[in-house]
Amino acid sequence: AQSVTQLDSHVSVSEGTPVLLRCNYSSSYSPSLFWYVQHPNKGLQLLLKYTSAATLVKGINGFEAEFKKSETSFHLTKPSAHMSDAAEYFCVVSDQSVAGGYNKLIFGAGTRLAVHP
Amino acid sequence: IAGITQAPTSQILAAGRRMTLRCTQDMRHNAMYWYRQDLGLGLRLIHYSNTAGTTGKGEVPDGYSVSRANTDDFPLTLASAVPSQTSVYFCASSRDARTEQFFGPGTRLTVL
Repeated sequence: AQSVTQLDSHVSVSEGTPVLLRCNYSSSYSPSLFWYVQHPNKGLQLLLKYTSAATLVKGINGFEAEFKKSETSFHLTKPSAHMSDAAEYFCVVSDQSVAGGYNKLIFGAGTRLAVHP
Repeated sequence: IAGITQAPTSQILAAGRRMTLRCTQDMRHNAMYWYRQDLGLGLRLIHYSNTAGTTGKGEVPDGYSVSRANTDDFPLTLASAVPSQTSVYFCASSRDARTEQFFGPGTRLTVL
């Protein structure tokens, strides 16, 4: 069975400093992995996706993530945090094994990022 | 370009009442989904549709029904609402059953 673990429930950084949000996954298949962001009282927005192409994936708003198969990790990073980055971030794996062919997404528990002036 | 729209934005409903949450997408995506988001439980799939005319059950389908009469619309119906259905409901769509999903802004439903 596939699963996702986000290692930190809360991360706090100062504006202008680097962001690291950690995610580990388990998968019996070559996974598709995603990071979504959810701002307060908003829907989920896709930040970036990994689908077995380049291991370093660049997303929107300066975020990127690196797929490391040996470490089963897909950590999200950004060189310099902005106040507008404060939100909840979800690491997600697509479960390709589901019978019936629907795109089951397995969500991590989320990491709440706080950015301080 | 609207993407995915959901209505209503929020609703307070008496237990036992029938309620339909609306979802419309203008991206011509084949697949659509309904999730509920609850504190501590994350997002859970209620129902899905891989293409117009077909639907399937997700992880938590009980008490909910869906229909997919056309590509654009995917309404979610609570036949007789109960307080445990208080949640934030998100509709999502994807080009097909294997590609990334795009989410609507959500409907906050409170059942009293």
